Amino acid sequence: DIVLTQSPASLAVSLGQRATISCRASESVDSYGNSFMHWYQQKPGQPPKLLIYRASNLESGIPARFSGSGSRTDFTLTINPVEADDVATYYCQQSNEDPYTFGGGTKLEIK
Amino acid sequence: QVQLQQPGAELVRPGASVKLSCKASGYSFTSYWMNWVKQRPGQGLEWIGMIHPSDSETRLNQKFKDKATLTVDKSSSTAYMQLSSPTSEDSAVYYCASMITGFDYWGQGTTLTVSS
Repeated sequence: DIVLTQSPASLAVSLGQRATISCRASESVDSYGNSFMHWYQQKPGQPPKLLIYRASNLESGIPARFSGSGSRTDFTLTINPVEADDVATYYCQQSNEDPYTFGGGTKLEIK
Repeated sequence: QVQLQQPGAELVRPGASVKLSCKASGYSFTSYWMNWVKQRPGQGLEWIGMIHPSDSETRLNQKFKDKATLTVDKSSSTAYMQLSSPTSEDSAVYYCASMITGFDYWGQGTTLTVSS
């Protein structure tokens, strides 16, 4: 199984500043010229929401403050600038290989 | 708009099977894989498996091969997941999620409580 390691496990960022979350895969999640890595936001009591698909594509309706980058085994989610509404837990997920796997999550708080 | 409707809660006795439902609307149900995801209280997300409604092709996480059975009813655009012999370890929120690019659409989740 592909193991996804997210870091940090939690971070506190001031309003208007940048938040950067890393996701490292135990093996490449690239196939056919695409990176099958996705990012989700989950708020308490709600299902996850897709933010970024295939590493760098912004899902419809998601603010451009969110961006994704990376390939093969190293990926990053950036939120810039951070707003109060961004307080949540963020997960990476790979769909390149069955079983699909999620990272352990990164909890974002406001400093 | 796309909706995945799940019952909010289910209570099941240990050892009795339970069948969770996920009714889809607002998109072509038979065109996209339907996934099931488990989340235990305060924990992360765990992929159980997926089923393609067009032909019921199923891919299961081997961890759940003796636990979960995925089915669909195309006539009602509903996906089901049956959990066998539930224990307290199966108490969790179970989400269904349709996969178009990533897991684009999610149900609100069913909170399953296994208790006598």
